[in-house]
Amino acid sequence: QQQVKQSPQSLIVQKGGISIINCAYENTAFDYFPWYQQFPGKGPALLIAIRPDVSEKKEGRFTISFNKSAKQFSLHIMDSQPGDSATYFCAASLYGQNFVFGPGTRLSVLP
Amino acid sequence: EAQVTQNPRYLITVTGKKLTVTCSQNMNHEYMSWYRQDPGLGLRQIYYSMNVEVTDKGDVPEGYKVSRKEKRNFPLILESPSPNQTSLYFCASSTRQNEKLFFGSGTQLSVL
Repeated sequence: QQQVKQSPQSLIVQKGGISIINCAYENTAFDYFPWYQQFPGKGPALLIAIRPDVSEKKEGRFTISFNKSAKQFSLHIMDSQPGDSATYFCAASLYGQNFVFGPGTRLSVLP
Repeated sequence: EAQVTQNPRYLITVTGKKLTVTCSQNMNHEYMSWYRQDPGLGLRQIYYSMNVEVTDKGDVPEGYKVSRKEKRNFPLILESPSPNQTSLYFCASSTRQNEKLFFGSGTQLSVL
């Protein structure tokens, strides 16, 4: 019940295309859903986050779509750029204490 | 500069030799935590601390110890390391629950 599933494992997108990464969770007690971006040799950095009372959140080219009934949420990257090439982790927080991360998606944006 | 500092960056050790990975933050954050990152498994939480002298187990605490004697420091201790603890370790902090986690740069540990 603590697990967060993430797909795809890897993704290749052409420059200017849309990147979509999906996550699913089981535990309905989760109340905070962030996405983290990690470049090689660096620690993860918060990209965007959503709470379950909102169905969508947009920040620049990055959008989270949240489907509470399906227990799924996704990250959409519009107009993908080579600089977006990184590993992306979805996560869910339980009671604000225990963060559970997905296994990660390695995104490559081709120039 | 606001940051989470981990040391060392790289560490190679042998089975059974006690080691400590240090973590320090300069943002006066209450919440600190440790994660290990393994290919295909993402980040898994080892321990977390809500404040000084308050620590609790995460999802994979076996073989690890932590302490929180000062607000800024949260060391990770491996009393008797084993090869299955070879991993990339990250320390993180935040102001409170459900807030942005600030991660350190990571410690790559190899246990031979």
